[in-house]
Amino acid sequence: AQKITQTQPGMFVQEKEAVTLDCTYDTSDPSYGLFWYKQPSSGEMIFLIYQGSYDQQNATEGRYSLNFQKARKSANLVISASQLGDSAMYFCAMREGYMIKAAGNKLTFGGGTRVLVKP
Amino acid sequence: GAVVSQHPSRVICKSGTSVKIECRSLDFQATTMFWYRQFPKKSLMLMATSNEGSKATYEQGVEKDKFLINHASLTLSTLTVTSAHPEDSSFYICSAGTGPEQYFGPGTRLTVT
Repeated sequence: AQKITQTQPGMFVQEKEAVTLDCTYDTSDPSYGLFWYKQPSSGEMIFLIYQGSYDQQNATEGRYSLNFQKARKSANLVISASQLGDSAMYFCAMREGYMIKAAGNKLTFGGGTRVLVKP
Repeated sequence: GAVVSQHPSRVICKSGTSVKIECRSLDFQATTMFWYRQFPKKSLMLMATSNEGSKATYEQGVEKDKFLINHASLTLSTLTVTSAHPEDSSFYICSAGTGPEQYFGPGTRLTVT
């Protein structure tokens, strides 16, 4: 069974500093995808970044980067140069299967980490 | 990126009535959509997988007769909460995707009085 663990329920970060959000996962499927979503107080789920299990390089999207350590089964999100607008809940999620064929497979979510950026 | 819409964004209904929530993929076709429920300060809990042209697949513990799902076209899935009770009050979110990425609708906040 899939399992996603986010061990940090909440954290503060100073504006303009970097922050790392932890995520570990467990799966027996060699093909899987890892996702990070941001959920501000409005409730919408905003897609941030994706990492496939066979991807050789760590994914990056602007200020977001994913530190993918396959052997440790971890997929930590790094937010660089934090901004006040980064204050939100952040969810790590995993889906078994690979690429287009996995579109019909469900996402399993971690418990989330609440980030509060201080000015 | 792909856009998924939901309607309504907020709804208040009385106990015993039914409420329908729509989820649409606006710029892509989705053979599969997912319905999640989220309680305050909690993570998303998958309720069911909506399959176009066939019956939905419900997660364990989710009452299929209470949460009716219809996926009549490649761009529309609906969730109907039947005979709503106050404990059904929650935030309901749908998602869909065509490739590795999954996009979420803005969510529907249901309040049952």
